[in-house]
Amino acid sequence: GAGVSQSPRYKVAKRGQDVALRCDPISGHVSLFWYQQALGQGPEFLTYFQNEAQLDKSGLPSDRFFAERPEGSVSTLKIQRTQQEDSAVYLCASSLGPAIAKNIQYFGAGTRLSVL
Amino acid sequence: AQSVTQLDSQVPVFEEAPVELRCNYSSSVSVYLFWYVQYPNQGLQLLLKYLSGSTLVKGINGFEAEFNKSQTSFHLRKPSVHISDTAEYFCAVSEGGSQGNLIFGKGTKLSVKP
Repeated sequence: GAGVSQSPRYKVAKRGQDVALRCDPISGHVSLFWYQQALGQGPEFLTYFQNEAQLDKSGLPSDRFFAERPEGSVSTLKIQRTQQEDSAVYLCASSLGPAIAKNIQYFGAGTRLSVL
Repeated sequence: AQSVTQLDSQVPVFEEAPVELRCNYSSSVSVYLFWYVQYPNQGLQLLLKYLSGSTLVKGINGFEAEFNKSQTSFHLRKPSVHISDTAEYFCAVSEGGSQGNLIFGKGTKLSVKP
């Protein structure tokens, strides 16, 4: 596809359930970012991949959050034992590479997670 | 630590009027600055960016922004807005030499009224 694709677009989970959110970046993009956007807030950085390597996970709010990108393309953000405070829109972005001239991030439409 | 402040959470304006959305940042190092727009139920779309060079940058849809290092500001402007400009606008900063993750402001909702 031409852009960053995220699925599902909407996810409703009962508290305590595990969820998996998928991101298909633009083909050939080396860098991949996950952000969390709470209601009424700007996106906040969660984690960063360069190819398959997770180089920064400093923004993950707890050890219930786990992300992977095993083949350097598709990425999955997993949240275990979801809690109400996890309700947010999860945005994925990709860019050509880490150099700033290439680091224009293209965003997907996001996955809106609601934890009941 | 870097931070981005968007002073106005909501800006109502009439169609064809000029608009300015304010953005200030704090950083002790060189930064790269961005404005993104988010339409309802859509992802973020890049409006414009400042990486280096001329402090006045022009973007899509007739928007422009000016980087002011002494005032640590990067305000977004448009001389005449349209109804279709109604959206939420986010200012973001990326630290020079970093991996490129963005620090966002809380956003400004621009409402253009007929």
